[in-house]
Amino acid sequence: RKEVEQDPGPFNVPEGATVAFNCTYSNSASQSFFWYRQDCRKEPKLLMSVYSSGNEDGRFTAQLNRASQYISLLIRDSKLSDSATYLCVAHKAAGNKLTFGGGTRVLVKP
Amino acid sequence: EPEVTQTPSHQVTQMGQEVILRCVPISNHLYFYWYRQILGQKVEFLVSFYNNEISEKSEIFDDQFSVERPDGSNFTLKIRSTKLEDSAMYFCASRGQPIAGEQFFGPGTRLTVL
Repeated sequence: RKEVEQDPGPFNVPEGATVAFNCTYSNSASQSFFWYRQDCRKEPKLLMSVYSSGNEDGRFTAQLNRASQYISLLIRDSKLSDSATYLCVAHKAAGNKLTFGGGTRVLVKP
Repeated sequence: EPEVTQTPSHQVTQMGQEVILRCVPISNHLYFYWYRQILGQKVEFLVSFYNNEISEKSEIFDDQFSVERPDGSNFTLKIRSTKLEDSAMYFCASRGQPIAGEQFFGPGTRLTVL
């Protein structure tokens, strides 16, 4: 089983709509989680850290459910510029590395 | 805003040749990483480096790979004898926080092995 799993998509989203997608993780030792955004052939860029209580940053809301071992990302009022691949990332406190999911592709269309 | 830089942006090499990929992490960061991403696949961890030594490495990071911090600013990844399957995007990242903190990625070096 993959450590971090994501629906690859694509999620085709009308501009202005809301889109949400999940990520599941298998290693219960994972303690920190992040959402990164990756544009085609570019580096991953940190979108937001995911806190236990859930957190919001503008149009983006992240939730963590440790009991079910999933993380979600919701994008409200989608913009054309939100088109990208969203990478779910887990980090274990005892280690250094980030473990990436395969990414969820989001296409926002006019 | 400080950023991680990498050179070259694209490296083409012949199979069996040695390559050195270079990174300049964010200046006050203490933890350094290399990741790779084969085209169409996920980002994979290679190695982490702290206090002038490797702190963790993956199964991918075998004897043909090495890392070095030759001076106070550069962080390099050397592949001794490149294989076709080493063709990928190689990302350097750095982190400043001692506990679980965000890693910041450079723009990557695209390595093509012919």
